[in-house]
Amino acid sequence: GAVVSQHPSWVICKSGTSVKIECRSLDFQATTMFWYRQFPKQSLMLMATSNEGSKATYEQGVEKDKFLINHASLTLSTLTVTSAHPEDSSFYICSAARLGELFFGEGSRLTVL
Amino acid sequence: KNQVEQSPQSLIILEGKNCTLQCNYTVSPFSNLRWYKQDTGRGPVSLTIMTFSENTKSNGRYTATLDADTKQSSLHITASQLSDSASYICVVISSGNTGKLIFGQGTTLQVKP
Repeated sequence: GAVVSQHPSWVICKSGTSVKIECRSLDFQATTMFWYRQFPKQSLMLMATSNEGSKATYEQGVEKDKFLINHASLTLSTLTVTSAHPEDSSFYICSAARLGELFFGEGSRLTVL
Repeated sequence: KNQVEQSPQSLIILEGKNCTLQCNYTVSPFSNLRWYKQDTGRGPVSLTIMTFSENTKSNGRYTATLDADTKQSSLHITASQLSDSASYICVVISSGNTGKLIFGQGTTLQVKP
């Protein structure tokens, strides 16, 4: 079964609103989780590295005030897309490492109207 | 510049046929190479992990090869099934730069009956 769970799997929101996506590691603790973004027919693009108890590390070009990441516990990281716009519509995926293996969540499809 | 190039970009084969996907990389220093299968609208699932010293690794009908000298990897799928239709992503992990993951663009495979 899945070892990394994401919620919601899909969400539709109005432009200007904020959306929170959760990423949970099941049955293991993850001090580090990763957030990716994927556009249609493209590969995953790392957005940021989420660190439990400290600030996330963002990749170049990713706005930290736009994509808020909180890693409050060893099993939960959240990505909040603030003041969402249609161009933020994408597939967002998280991952966590367990015993050297990288497990991905099922992804969250965000559509901003 | 660390890059991972996959070919072909897309591929259509008939059910029961074999196929081979290619992955060339320029990542250095190299730690390991992973192949993932991503079904449409889902998160990637690991197929194989290959370290520097490994040449071949199989996972059921999937066989991955690695030539660390030429920096090439291949994923061979034997006796394809309709459920093999997916995107296959090659990911190379660098041992430097805190283990950064470099994603290929993926190969989209469609298996037709």
